Amino acid sequence: EAQVTQNPRYLITVTGKKLTVTCSQNMNHEYMSWYRQDPGLGLRQIYYSMNVEVTDKGDVPEGYKVSRKEKRNFPLILESPSPNQTSLYFCASSTGTAPNSPLHFGNGTRLTVT
Amino acid sequence: QKEVEQNSGPLSVPEGAIASLNCTYSDRGSQSFFWYRQYSGKSPELIMFIYSNGDKEDGRFTAQLNKASQYVSLLIRDSQPSDSATYLCAATGTASKLTFGTGTRLQVTL
Repeated sequence: EAQVTQNPRYLITVTGKKLTVTCSQNMNHEYMSWYRQDPGLGLRQIYYSMNVEVTDKGDVPEGYKVSRKEKRNFPLILESPSPNQTSLYFCASSTGTAPNSPLHFGNGTRLTVT
Repeated sequence: QKEVEQNSGPLSVPEGAIASLNCTYSDRGSQSFFWYRQYSGKSPELIMFIYSNGDKEDGRFTAQLNKASQYVSLLIRDSQPSDSATYLCAATGTASKLTFGTGTRLQVTL
């Protein structure tokens, strides 16, 4: 089954404790992206990657890191999480013509930072 | 001014009626437009995409694009309670950046 898999689905952590949210897709998509979704603010892009070893900042990159060492994986790293990073996070992927192609979203990760 | 604007709703329509969801965008060079449906607590899923002026139909859904007026709409015919969700409009602008609106919540009542 073609899918984008995120883990974990739920995560509660404390301020300053480094964490990684994994994202993997099995559709051989070149484009991958991370979004956060907050009430009233909609989906905002954190980072995106057009292909392996190519990453770029989105609208809200502060406090986040990503890497794209393999085509299928695009982990999101929070080196020192803070409460304002409490949010619902989505990973998404698309074909090489992105962002003009539809996105396939993962199931989301609900992160709470206390 | 938000780049992609939607009325947050809720938009309430009776079962069987036509639901009309609207979206305006500010970047006149935008080329690709998408409608995603998102159930509460779930991930967005693609409903329609449209690239050219005019209408595009897929089953009960019709996307309409008017680039001169910079708006995109989604019509849902014969609305069902299962259509109750938040509908996200997205547009790809001149910088090849995809921007989402904040979504319109649709409620289909029995």
